[in-house]
Amino acid sequence: DAKTTQPTSMDCAEGRAANLPCNHSTISGNEYVYWYRQIHSQGPQYIIHGLKNNETNEMASLIITEDRKSSTLILPHATLRDTAVYYCIVRGNTGNQFYFGTGTSLTVIP
Amino acid sequence: NAGVTQTPKFRVLKTGQSMTLLCAQDMNHEYMYWYRQDPGMGLRLIHYSVGEGTTAKGEVPDGYNVSRLKKQNFLLGLESAAPSQTSVYFCASSSGQRKSPLHFGNGTRLTVT
Repeated sequence: DAKTTQPTSMDCAEGRAANLPCNHSTISGNEYVYWYRQIHSQGPQYIIHGLKNNETNEMASLIITEDRKSSTLILPHATLRDTAVYYCIVRGNTGNQFYFGTGTSLTVIP
Repeated sequence: NAGVTQTPKFRVLKTGQSMTLLCAQDMNHEYMYWYRQDPGMGLRLIHYSVGEGTTAKGEVPDGYNVSRLKKQNFLLGLESAAPSQTSVYFCASSSGQRKSPLHFGNGTRLTVT
């Protein structure tokens, strides 16, 4: 099953860009990459997803490498409220399952 | 729209007791999921359903049963609760389309003593 690898934790200065990497080397050709974040013990919140091309929405940008083996979530101007655990996930082989790893704990520092 | 609603929000059980967690979604989604999250860990998939009347096992299905009698509801049952099932349980749904993201509820915090 396709799985992802992320750094355990990262810090970012408030106002600076936060760049969160993710490895998904076993992703299949037609699978999307999804990013979520979880603040405290709330339900995970959807941020963005992509297939091949870079994507941008009001929350973040997603950069996917040409070989699709890795991606980077960019929060352009991090705020204290962006402190959370960020998960990069892909579907399992059947296409019906979403597997979460342990995510990256991002701390935005004043 | 309420989105995904989980009930109850909190529950304390004694070892051996049974209970059912209810997940309801009002988005007409085909797919529904149950995850558990232990302290300091990511979410692990318990069971999921790709449509009314169908269920399938995820990563950690032992000790749980599920039912999807109505499209909008997905029930998670614990027949004989154990302390190892102390966790936060999250329900999620999606339309089932290839690029469709998951929509999560706010979780049920279960403690088994």
